[in-house]
Amino acid sequence: TQLLEQSPQFLSIQEGENLTVYCNSSSVFSSLQWYRQEPGEGPVLLVTVVTGGEVKKLKRLTFQFGDARKDSSLHITAAQPGDTGLYLCAGDNNDMRFGAGTRLTVKP
Amino acid sequence: DAGVTQSPTHLIKTRGQHVTLRCSPISGHKSVSWYQQVLGQGPQFIFQYYEKEERGRGNFPDRFSARQFPNYSSELNVNALLLGDSALYLCASSLGRTSSYEQYFGPGTRLTVT
Repeated sequence: TQLLEQSPQFLSIQEGENLTVYCNSSSVFSSLQWYRQEPGEGPVLLVTVVTGGEVKKLKRLTFQFGDARKDSSLHITAAQPGDTGLYLCAGDNNDMRFGAGTRLTVKP
Repeated sequence: DAGVTQSPTHLIKTRGQHVTLRCSPISGHKSVSWYQQVLGQGPQFIFQYYEKEERGRGNFPDRFSARQFPNYSSELNVNALLLGDSALYLCASSLGRTSSYEQYFGPGTRLTVT
């Protein structure tokens, strides 16, 4: 059973579109991380959020941590084919708990 | 600088056998964590070792064990393999023990149990 629920499970969009993926839990986390994983590779850390309500931006990616530190969202603006991958969220609850991920495909 | 390395990259075993997976962390990193990623799921935490001591254990049976060596490399051992152990086994290293330190993942070892 995944402690963190990610939605949607799959997302296929055209290049240039915007999208938001979600990571929800009933548990409070001291911090939450977002990773991207490509086939045949391990996950790569994108961002860590630690403060409730925190918003972090990395170029076209915007990450938000919920006020209660139970949920988070990742918004991508003007998606590109290079954004294709599995997006995972992970919460620190004494050990790292991962969601099942959102598999994003951006078509040229 | 070399990233986290894992060996072997692929492995096929039969039910009941045992397996040893190896991980070399990034130079200077003292923490190694092991994860199991079943197809279609996110990684599940198995163990964390820091300074050669077990610092965390996930909800896995005693068939799973690990250790960390003086050079901070690590081995994951799985005994009495079951079909359900088929997965990608990921190793991650970090400078410190807590999540405030970034984890760097290796490419994983894909284990198939037949």
